[in-house]
Amino acid sequence: EVQLVESGGGLVKPGGSLRLSCTASGFIFRSYTLSWVRQAPGKGLEWVSSISSSSEYIYYGDSVKGRFTISRDNAKNSLYLQMNSLRAEDTAVYYCARRSTYNYRDWGQGTLVTVSS
Amino acid sequence: QSALTQPASVSGSPGQSITISCTGTSSDVGGYDYVSWYQQHPGKAPKLMISDVSNRPSGVSDRFSGSKSGNTASLTISGLQAEDEADYYCSSYTSSSTHVFGTGTKVTVL
Repeated sequence: EVQLVESGGGLVKPGGSLRLSCTASGFIFRSYTLSWVRQAPGKGLEWVSSISSSSEYIYYGDSVKGRFTISRDNAKNSLYLQMNSLRAEDTAVYYCARRSTYNYRDWGQGTLVTVSS
Repeated sequence: QSALTQPASVSGSPGQSITISCTGTSSDVGGYDYVSWYQQHPGKAPKLMISDVSNRPSGVSDRFSGSKSGNTASLTISGLQAEDEADYYCSSYTSSSTHVFGTGTKVTVL
Protein backbone atom coordinates (compact mmCIF):
# COMPACT_ATOMS: atom_id res chain seq x y z
CA GLU A 1 0.00 0.00 0.00
CA VAL A 2 1.36 3.40 -1.00
CA GLN A 3 1.76 5.77 1.93
CA LEU A 4 2.86 9.40 1.90
CA VAL A 5 3.20 11.12 5.27
CA GLU A 6 3.88 14.85 5.47
CA SER A 7 5.34 16.60 8.49
CA GLY A 8 6.92 19.90 9.47
CA GLY A 9 3.94 22.21 9.24
CA GLY A 10 3.18 24.80 11.88
CA LEU A 11 2.88 28.48 12.71
CA VAL A 12 5.55 30.80 11.37
CA LYS A 13 5.87 34.58 11.19
CA PRO A 14 5.88 36.46 7.87
CA GLY A 15 9.38 36.43 6.42
CA GLY A 16 10.23 33.24 8.27
CA SER A 17 11.24 29.80 7.02
CA LEU A 18 9.92 26.27 7.35
CA ARG A 19 10.97 22.87 5.98
CA LEU A 20 8.35 20.31 5.11
CA SER A 21 9.10 16.60 4.80
CA CYS A 22 7.24 13.75 3.15
CA THR A 23 8.17 10.17 4.00
CA ALA A 24 7.08 7.53 1.51
CA SER A 25 6.56 3.77 1.59
CA GLY A 26 4.89 1.04 -0.44
CA PHE A 27 6.54 1.80 -3.80
CA ILE A 28 9.97 2.19 -5.39
CA PHE A 29 10.57 5.78 -4.31
CA ARG A 30 13.55 6.44 -6.60
CA SER A 31 11.47 5.66 -9.71
CA TYR A 32 8.84 8.38 -9.41
CA THR A 33 8.43 12.10 -9.89
CA LEU A 34 7.01 13.71 -6.76
CA SER A 35 5.23 17.00 -6.23
CA TRP A 36 3.91 19.42 -3.66
CA VAL A 37 0.37 20.73 -4.03
CA ARG A 38 -1.20 23.20 -1.62
CA GLN A 39 -4.68 24.32 -0.67
CA ALA A 40 -5.38 27.57 1.15
CA PRO A 41 -8.26 27.45 3.65
CA GLY A 42 -11.55 27.29 1.78
CA LYS A 43 -9.79 27.60 -1.58
CA GLY A 44 -8.83 25.35 -4.48
CA LEU A 45 -5.79 23.22 -5.21
CA GLU A 46 -2.60 24.91 -6.37
CA TRP A 47 0.34 23.04 -7.88
CA VAL A 48 3.56 24.17 -6.15
CA SER A 49 6.57 22.19 -7.36
CA SER A 50 7.78 18.91 -8.78
CA ILE A 51 11.06 16.97 -8.81
CA SER A 52 11.95 14.08 -11.11
CA SER A 53 13.14 10.70 -9.92
CA SER A 54 16.85 11.56 -9.89
CA SER A 55 16.37 15.28 -9.20
CA GLU A 56 17.47 16.23 -12.70
CA TYR A 57 14.28 18.13 -13.49
CA ILE A 58 12.80 20.58 -11.00
CA TYR A 59 9.92 22.97 -11.61
CA TYR A 60 8.13 25.59 -9.55
CA GLY A 61 4.90 27.53 -9.72
CA ASP A 62 5.26 31.26 -10.34
CA SER A 63 3.96 32.14 -6.86
CA VAL A 64 6.80 30.31 -5.07
CA LYS A 65 9.68 30.57 -7.53
CA GLY A 66 12.79 31.96 -5.87
CA ARG A 67 11.44 31.38 -2.36
CA PHE A 68 10.79 27.61 -2.18
CA THR A 69 13.22 24.78 -2.90
CA ILE A 70 12.18 21.19 -3.51
CA SER A 71 14.59 18.31 -2.91
CA ARG A 72 14.60 14.59 -2.27
CA ASP A 73 16.74 11.90 -0.67
CA ASN A 74 16.15 8.59 -2.44
CA ALA A 75 18.16 6.72 0.21
CA LYS A 76 15.73 7.91 2.87
CA ASN A 77 12.54 7.70 0.75
CA SER A 78 11.94 11.34 1.59
CA LEU A 79 10.80 14.48 -0.20
CA TYR A 80 11.37 17.97 1.14
CA LEU A 81 10.15 21.53 0.61
CA GLN A 82 12.27 24.34 2.02
CA MET A 83 10.10 27.44 2.28
CA ASN A 84 11.75 30.83 2.80
CA SER A 85 10.45 34.41 2.88
CA LEU A 86 7.03 33.11 3.82
CA ARG A 87 3.98 35.31 3.25
CA ALA A 88 0.45 35.25 4.62
CA GLU A 89 -0.75 33.96 1.25
CA ASP A 90 1.41 30.84 1.69
CA THR A 91 -0.94 29.70 4.47
CA ALA A 92 -2.32 26.38 3.28
CA VAL A 93 -2.43 22.64 3.70
CA TYR A 94 0.54 21.25 1.81
CA TYR A 95 0.13 17.84 0.18
CA CYS A 96 2.85 15.54 -1.06
CA ALA A 97 1.75 13.64 -4.18
CA ARG A 98 3.21 10.84 -6.29
CA ARG A 99 3.02 11.41 -10.00
CA SER A 100 2.18 8.44 -12.20
CA THR A 101 2.77 9.42 -15.84
CA TYR A 102 1.07 12.83 -15.74
CA ASN A 103 -1.49 12.19 -13.02
CA TYR A 104 -1.40 12.37 -9.24
CA ARG A 105 -2.51 8.92 -8.16
CA ASP A 106 -1.41 9.00 -4.53
CA TRP A 107 -1.60 11.81 -1.96
CA GLY A 108 -0.57 12.30 1.65
CA GLN A 109 -2.94 13.56 4.31
CA GLY A 110 -1.40 17.03 4.22
CA THR A 111 0.35 19.29 6.72
CA LEU A 112 -0.93 22.76 7.66
CA VAL A 113 1.33 25.78 7.34
CA THR A 114 0.09 29.00 8.91
CA VAL A 115 1.94 32.26 8.26
CA SER A 116 0.85 34.89 10.73
CA SER A 117 2.32 37.39 13.15
CA GLN B 1 -0.07 29.95 -14.87
CA SER B 2 -3.72 30.88 -14.70
CA ALA B 3 -6.03 28.32 -13.14
CA LEU B 4 -8.25 26.34 -15.49
CA THR B 5 -11.84 27.59 -15.47
CA GLN B 6 -14.58 25.44 -13.91
CA PRO B 7 -18.14 26.33 -12.90
CA ALA B 8 -18.32 27.14 -9.20
CA SER B 9 -21.20 24.77 -8.59
CA VAL B 10 -23.27 22.09 -10.28
CA SER B 11 -26.24 20.27 -8.80
CA GLY B 12 -28.50 17.39 -9.69
CA SER B 13 -31.02 14.99 -8.27
CA PRO B 14 -30.18 11.39 -7.42
CA GLY B 15 -30.05 9.29 -10.56
CA GLN B 16 -29.49 12.23 -12.88
CA SER B 17 -26.36 12.97 -14.90
CA ILE B 18 -24.27 16.09 -14.53
CA THR B 19 -21.30 17.43 -16.47
CA ILE B 20 -18.50 19.65 -15.21
CA SER B 21 -16.47 21.63 -17.72
CA CYS B 22 -12.81 22.62 -17.48
CA THR B 23 -11.54 25.27 -19.88
CA GLY B 24 -7.89 26.04 -20.49
CA THR B 25 -5.71 27.02 -23.41
CA SER B 26 -3.71 25.40 -26.18
CA SER B 27 -0.74 25.44 -23.78
CA ASP B 28 -2.41 23.07 -21.35
CA VAL B 29 -5.76 21.33 -21.87
CA GLY B 30 -5.75 21.74 -25.63
CA GLY B 31 -2.14 20.77 -26.10
CA TYR B 32 -1.94 17.49 -24.22
CA ASP B 33 -4.08 14.46 -23.44
CA TYR B 34 -2.94 14.75 -19.83
CA VAL B 35 -6.08 16.04 -18.16
CA SER B 36 -7.04 14.44 -14.87
CA TRP B 37 -9.96 14.87 -12.48
CA TYR B 38 -9.93 14.72 -8.68
CA GLN B 39 -12.69 14.33 -6.12
CA GLN B 40 -12.24 15.89 -2.70
CA HIS B 41 -14.51 15.44 0.29
CA PRO B 42 -14.28 17.98 3.15
CA GLY B 43 -11.14 17.56 5.21
CA LYS B 44 -9.80 14.80 2.98
CA ALA B 45 -7.02 14.53 0.43
CA PRO B 46 -7.96 14.61 -3.26
CA LYS B 47 -8.69 11.31 -5.01
CA LEU B 48 -7.87 10.63 -8.65
CA MET B 49 -11.08 9.84 -10.56
CA ILE B 50 -10.04 10.21 -14.22
CA SER B 51 -6.55 10.17 -15.74
CA ASP B 52 -5.33 11.06 -19.23
CA VAL B 53 -8.66 12.66 -20.25
CA SER B 54 -10.81 9.56 -20.09
CA ASN B 55 -9.14 6.69 -18.23
CA ARG B 56 -10.69 5.42 -15.05
CA PRO B 57 -8.27 4.12 -12.39
CA SER B 58 -9.00 0.76 -10.86
CA GLY B 59 -11.68 1.01 -8.19
CA VAL B 60 -13.36 4.13 -9.56
CA SER B 61 -17.03 3.70 -10.43
CA ASP B 62 -17.90 3.51 -14.14
CA ARG B 63 -20.46 6.24 -13.46
CA PHE B 64 -17.54 8.65 -13.87
CA SER B 65 -16.35 9.44 -17.39
CA GLY B 66 -14.15 12.07 -19.02
CA SER B 67 -13.74 13.63 -22.43
CA LYS B 68 -12.05 16.55 -24.16
CA SER B 69 -12.76 18.80 -27.12
CA GLY B 70 -10.29 21.50 -28.04
CA ASN B 71 -9.33 23.52 -24.97
CA THR B 72 -12.21 22.19 -22.85
CA ALA B 73 -12.32 18.95 -20.89
CA SER B 74 -15.41 17.54 -19.22
CA LEU B 75 -16.26 15.18 -16.39
CA THR B 76 -19.63 13.47 -16.45
CA ILE B 77 -21.16 11.76 -13.44
CA SER B 78 -24.09 9.55 -14.36
CA GLY B 79 -26.59 8.01 -11.95
CA LEU B 80 -25.77 10.70 -9.37
CA GLN B 81 -25.55 9.39 -5.81
CA ALA B 82 -25.41 11.11 -2.44
CA GLU B 83 -21.79 10.01 -1.98
CA ASP B 84 -20.82 11.97 -5.11
CA GLU B 85 -21.40 15.24 -3.27
CA ALA B 86 -17.91 16.74 -3.08
CA ASP B 87 -15.56 19.24 -4.69
CA TYR B 88 -14.11 18.30 -8.08
CA TYR B 89 -10.93 19.65 -9.64
CA CYS B 90 -9.49 19.20 -13.09
CA SER B 91 -5.78 19.38 -13.75
CA SER B 92 -3.61 19.53 -16.84
CA TYR B 93 0.04 19.17 -17.72
CA THR B 94 1.36 22.35 -19.36
CA SER B 95 3.86 23.40 -22.00
CA SER B 96 6.11 24.68 -19.18
CA SER B 97 6.39 21.13 -17.80
CA THR B 98 4.30 22.17 -14.81
CA HIS B 99 0.76 21.33 -13.81
CA VAL B 100 -2.23 23.60 -13.37
CA PHE B 101 -5.43 22.88 -11.47
CA GLY B 102 -8.92 24.10 -12.15
CA THR B 103 -10.82 26.54 -9.96
CA GLY B 104 -12.92 23.72 -8.53
CA THR B 105 -16.60 22.77 -8.73
CA LYS B 106 -18.86 21.99 -5.79
CA VAL B 107 -21.27 19.21 -6.69
CA THR B 108 -24.51 19.16 -4.72
CA VAL B 109 -26.92 16.23 -4.76
CA LEU B 110 -30.39 17.65 -4.26
